[in-house]
Amino acid sequence: EAGVAQSPRYKIIEKRQSVAFWCNPISGHATLYWYQQILGQGPKLLIQFQNNGVVDDSQLPKDRFSAERLKGVDSTLKIQPAKLEDSAVYLCASSASGSSSYEQYFGPGTRLTVT
Amino acid sequence: DQQVKQNSPSLSVQEGRISILNCDYTNSMFDYFLWYKKYPAEGPTFLISISSIKDKNEDGRFTVFLNKSAKHLSLHIVPSQPGDSAVYFCAASVAGGEYNNNDMRFGAGTRLTVKP
Repeated sequence: EAGVAQSPRYKIIEKRQSVAFWCNPISGHATLYWYQQILGQGPKLLIQFQNNGVVDDSQLPKDRFSAERLKGVDSTLKIQPAKLEDSAVYLCASSASGSSSYEQYFGPGTRLTVT
Repeated sequence: DQQVKQNSPSLSVQEGRISILNCDYTNSMFDYFLWYKKYPAEGPTFLISISSIKDKNEDGRFTVFLNKSAKHLSLHIVPSQPGDSAVYFCAASVAGGEYNNNDMRFGAGTRLTVKP
């Protein structure tokens, strides 16, 4: 079974530029998550999708971050414009259900450096 | 707001001995708790979980203990092996339904080093 795929693996941009990350979840997984992991901290949930609908985006900085999951499969996370404090690893995860008892499978992450 | 705390950033143990990783939480609404393991350049992988209706869950060498009154959980690894060297994240959530926000929160992680 193929795991969660993310691209790119690494990205370096200057502040005020835009960047987009892509995630392909495990086939058949209805729930998709985007997390931000700043160095020395645990992952922080940015947004949770159930199919192509948003379940929770309470911690997403909506003035600069946006995410979509068209057709309930792949998802993209965009930052526009980027700030220095956005430097982090962005993790995508998927699970069969939004219930906590269903295991979340994480991708390898995209490491973003904003200079 | 740090609702889940792992106060030990690192832990070093000898191979064959017990590793004990600790985690505290503040939100009494959390009712499902998980441990994830992370190797460098990889995403976290699920290790073991426990529901708030239990106080212990065991899976091979890994056991998670939950003390609800103290809002504390711990992960025991016995015996520890060099391959267990990784960062361990504690996570807490609300065990919602399929369309519910599970509000999962992670601790900052503890780096475990198991020496041969």
